[in-house]
Amino acid sequence: GENVEQHPSTLSVQEGDSAVIKCTYSDSASNYFPWYKQELGKRPQLIIDIRSNVGEKKDQRIAVTLNKTAKHFSLHITETQPEDSAVYFCAARPPSGGGADGLTFGKGTHLIIQP
Amino acid sequence: DTEVTQTPKHLVMGMTNKKSLKCEQHMGHRAMYWYKQKAKKPPELMFVYSYEKLSINESVPSRFSPECPNSSLLNLHLHALQPEDSALYLCASSLTPRVSSYEQYFGPGTRLTVT
Repeated sequence: GENVEQHPSTLSVQEGDSAVIKCTYSDSASNYFPWYKQELGKRPQLIIDIRSNVGEKKDQRIAVTLNKTAKHFSLHITETQPEDSAVYFCAARPPSGGGADGLTFGKGTHLIIQP
Repeated sequence: DTEVTQTPKHLVMGMTNKKSLKCEQHMGHRAMYWYKQKAKKPPELMFVYSYEKLSINESVPSRFSPECPNSSLLNLHLHALQPEDSALYLCASSLTPRVSSYEQYFGPGTRLTVT
């Protein structure tokens, strides 16, 4: 099955600086890569995603890049703010055989924004 | 209605009890999922329903029994659980299994404690 590795496990940055979280996946046929933000005691919330036919996607301060050859994708957050503090999970979706498939998640990155 | 709801929010049960978790969405989504999340860990896929049919069972013990009575409702029946089954149980849904609509949206979860 799919295996997703995520680094770093903890990331501390100064407010206003950029943060980068990296993930690798094992199944070259995986075709969808979402990122979720989970605050303490709350549900995972989808913040951005990318499909395998796209190399980069941006939404305001958040961007995701995908390198299919190397099988890795990254989350970039610019101009970080205190409310960005949370656990971030990357995930990969292996290809469907016709039915729905679930997501395989990385272990998560605890992002801490220092004021 | 644009979200996934789950009841109850919290559940404490003994190892001999039978209980059920409920998940509901009225977004017209036709794929629904159960995930289990232990503290400081990523969500782990348990079951996937596609068009009300079970399409994936990730080798989950039979003491967990899913049910999808209609396209809006997903249940998880619990019986003879073990203390190690204590976790946050998350329900998610996506529009369809097709590539154009993979986004999965999570409910707030049910915090389960088995005593």
